[in-house]
Amino acid sequence: NAGVTQTPKFRILKIGQSMTLQCTQDMNHNYMYWYRQDPGMGLKLIYYSVGAGITDKGEVPNGYNVSRSTTEDFPLRLELAAPSQTSVYFCASSYRGYTFGSGTRLTVV
Amino acid sequence: AQTVTQSQPEMSVQEAETVTLSCTYDTSESNYYLFWYKQPPSRQMILVIRQEAYKQQNATENRFSVNFQKAAKSFSLKISDSQLGDTAMYFCAFTRGADGLTFGKGTHLIIQP
Repeated sequence: NAGVTQTPKFRILKIGQSMTLQCTQDMNHNYMYWYRQDPGMGLKLIYYSVGAGITDKGEVPNGYNVSRSTTEDFPLRLELAAPSQTSVYFCASSYRGYTFGSGTRLTVV
Repeated sequence: AQTVTQSQPEMSVQEAETVTLSCTYDTSESNYYLFWYKQPPSRQMILVIRQEAYKQQNATENRFSVNFQKAAKSFSLKISDSQLGDTAMYFCAFTRGADGLTFGKGTHLIIQP
């Protein structure tokens, strides 16, 4: 079992560019989440999904979009990247407990 | 909205000592779950321990145990016989269920040889 797989692990974006962070899980979990972690802080919830076709905003959704067409995949889209989106992004899935991916370090310059 | 507060930004203890990390939370819910996560420099989020609010018995996992005080909304983590590998950021987290975890700001724990 691979668990939760995130790609890429690192990325540098220029201001105004867009990109998609990929997240795939092979545990057949219905619940999936995207978090961001700024330096010296805990994780903050961006978006979450309770099943295919269902998504909802978390605490810090501005500047991001998500989709959930399958149980396995939950991509996070950044449109018009801004320096404030420089962070480490974690994807997670859940069934009676949370499994986290290894994170994506994103720098916007 | 739920909030989680960790009042100790950093703690340092000697190897083999016992250390307690503090966590308080605020919620109006009666059913919820509390977690402690460890984040080493590799940045991987590792589950340390989990507590269901409806269970009065404190959770334990080997050297790790919690003191769950529901009325006081307190959820502290005790690490016994601390080891160098315990050096990491520790995050307290809360969830009602499907809508995700709310994290505290973390405590940087340093185990000195």
